Amino acid sequence: EVQLVESGGALVQPGGSLRLSCAASGFTFSSYWMHWVRQAPGKGLVWVSRINSDGSSTSSADFVKGRFTISRDNAKNMLYLEMNSLRAEDTAVYYCAAGDGHAKKYWGQGTLVTVSA
Amino acid sequence: QSALTQPPSASGSPGQSVTISCTGTSSDVGGYNYVSWYQQHPGKAPKLMIYEVNKRPSGVPDRFSGSKSGNTASLTVSGLQAEDESDYYCSSYAGRSWVFGGGTRLTVL
Repeated sequence: EVQLVESGGALVQPGGSLRLSCAASGFTFSSYWMHWVRQAPGKGLVWVSRINSDGSSTSSADFVKGRFTISRDNAKNMLYLEMNSLRAEDTAVYYCAAGDGHAKKYWGQGTLVTVSA
Repeated sequence: QSALTQPPSASGSPGQSVTISCTGTSSDVGGYNYVSWYQQHPGKAPKLMIYEVNKRPSGVPDRFSGSKSGNTASLTVSGLQAEDESDYYCSSYAGRSWVFGGGTRLTVL
């Protein structure tokens, strides 16, 4: 059974940092591009960042460039999102998703990040 | 990286068909055949329903179909069933980035 399990979400103050993790199982993690997608409360899905299968290439949405870093450890079947300089508008549920071509085939259940003083 | 445009709501009676549109630009929807559609029930993770404009993943009913013309993609749900009531999001590759639509809430009357 395919599983993506996110963790690391928390309440953090503006300007703070957080590291999200995503544990993958049930599929060949090292063969898939991976993505982070977020959803603010009551709002729509927004693509955040992606990393290719071997971790050699990444891309991110303009609104997180210079603040968020995506990485992976294929030996541990883990995906990460390092988030710095957090703002109130970063408050959202963060999903990790496995990409099949350009579609997000598998999704985790999400982890909530709340940025508030 | 502007969001794709979807109608906020759509509705239909059981057994009817409904089509949800998704309008982008030549830099995303119109430029690539990499449009996908996701279903999201409240409090749940999104689920892939259509990829590469009109392909269905294994397990997705053939009542769901996708198409594209120019900068506008469409999702059609035929033979509406109660369980189809959900939020639907389109997404497109946009050249090193991906963009989602704002979402459409489908109501089965």
